[in-house]
Amino acid sequence: NAGVTQTPKFQVLKTGQSMTLQCAQDMNHEYMSWYRQDPGMGLRLIHYSVGAGITDQGEVPNGYNVSRSTTEDFPLRLLSAAPSQTSVYFCASRRDSNQPQHFGDGTRLSIL
Amino acid sequence: AQSVTQLGSHVSVSEGALVLLRCNYSSSVPPYLFWYVQYPNQGLQLLLKYTSAATLVKGINGFEAEFKKSETSFHLTKPSAHMSDAAEYFCAVRLSASKIIFGSGTRLSIRP
Repeated sequence: NAGVTQTPKFQVLKTGQSMTLQCAQDMNHEYMSWYRQDPGMGLRLIHYSVGAGITDQGEVPNGYNVSRSTTEDFPLRLLSAAPSQTSVYFCASRRDSNQPQHFGDGTRLSIL
Repeated sequence: AQSVTQLGSHVSVSEGALVLLRCNYSSSVPPYLFWYVQYPNQGLQLLLKYTSAATLVKGINGFEAEFKKSETSFHLTKPSAHMSDAAEYFCAVRLSASKIIFGSGTRLSIRP
């Protein structure tokens, strides 16, 4: 049971480049979320999904897009990377609204 | 605004001493509350959760937390600290069926 898998683990980008952070879960969880973690700020919610085809914005959505075409996958897209998006990104999933989240190991992203 | 506040970004205790990590929340609905632990370069792992059953919740690794509605608090405790408890701890609250927000985290250090 792999749980929540995030790829890549590390990435360095130049300002203006685009990329997609991948997240996949094999637990058939309906709810999935993306967070960014910055020193002293905890985890901030970027986007979330409550099922295939349904997504919504969290606290800090600007500069990021998501889609949820399948239950398993929830990719996060940076359309034009900025240095302010340097962070550690975590994907999480949960079975339903009353359950705690399962987290991936994170993607460490640096924007130069 | 609904929020989670963790008092103290860094707590240091001696091995064998009591661990107390503080969390206060504000929520307009009966809260679901969580404590997570994060070890270096890893994702978050669930320690325990409160879902309106018993007010004293026991978690893994000897941790427990008490929900106090009158104080809007959900502090995490462990009677005797172990070196392996050194990590960052996050309190989280479920704001709605789809949104969970996190506090800014408390780094716990254990002195030999």
